[in-house]
Amino acid sequence: QSALTQPPSVSGSPGQSVTISCTGTSSDVGVYNRVSWYQQPPGTAPKLMIFEVNNRPSGVPDRFSGSKSGNTASLTISGLQAEDEADYYCSSYTSRSTYVFGTGTKVTVL
Amino acid sequence: QVQLVQSGGEMKKAGASVKVSCKASGYTFTSYGISWVRLAPRQGLEWMGWISTYDGTTRYAQNFRDRVTMTTDTSTNIAYMELRSLTSDDTAVYYCAREIVSTTYFDYWGPGTLVTVSS
Repeated sequence: QSALTQPPSVSGSPGQSVTISCTGTSSDVGVYNRVSWYQQPPGTAPKLMIFEVNNRPSGVPDRFSGSKSGNTASLTISGLQAEDEADYYCSSYTSRSTYVFGTGTKVTVL
Repeated sequence: QVQLVQSGGEMKKAGASVKVSCKASGYTFTSYGISWVRLAPRQGLEWMGWISTYDGTTRYAQNFRDRVTMTTDTSTNIAYMELRSLTSDDTAVYYCAREIVSTTYFDYWGPGTLVTVSS
């Protein structure tokens, strides 16, 4: 199972919006609405930010939103803040009843 | 509150095995599955496998199928992950993560256990 493809890095100034793409296949991202997104600042454990494509857990700011079209899912951070600087990973359930993560994207706040 | 507390860091020689534990508290252990995920240096997150804390059913990623074993002890609310035939490529931080039954995402994560493998 190959990792889902994410851009290595994205950046933006405070207040701007950034979008991270996550491209898979018809065996994972494309077949289920079971894409989740995780935020991981350096040296800390991942934190769930979005589940089932576009749902936010309690406590996650509404600046974070998710979407999906075909085999590509996306995470958008609106109104970028300094505290959003971290690595972000997508994850998808697969047709083999396994999980696959994305390659990871480093978000830099300029 | 939900807590997943993992065992301490390990240093191993190539060819050895390591067993990492994950003690759960603050919720009903058998209502949630546990997945194991690792983060190697300069790599991304990698899913290793999942275990049902209810009946012990396991699913392993193909990359680890031949040398990983996941178990649970429901009397102590601890999940274990054992990885055998270690190489330097297995140097990584290993995380346990909770998964609500019938969902497909990880809502709580342990702090991670650093496993260092030297040749």
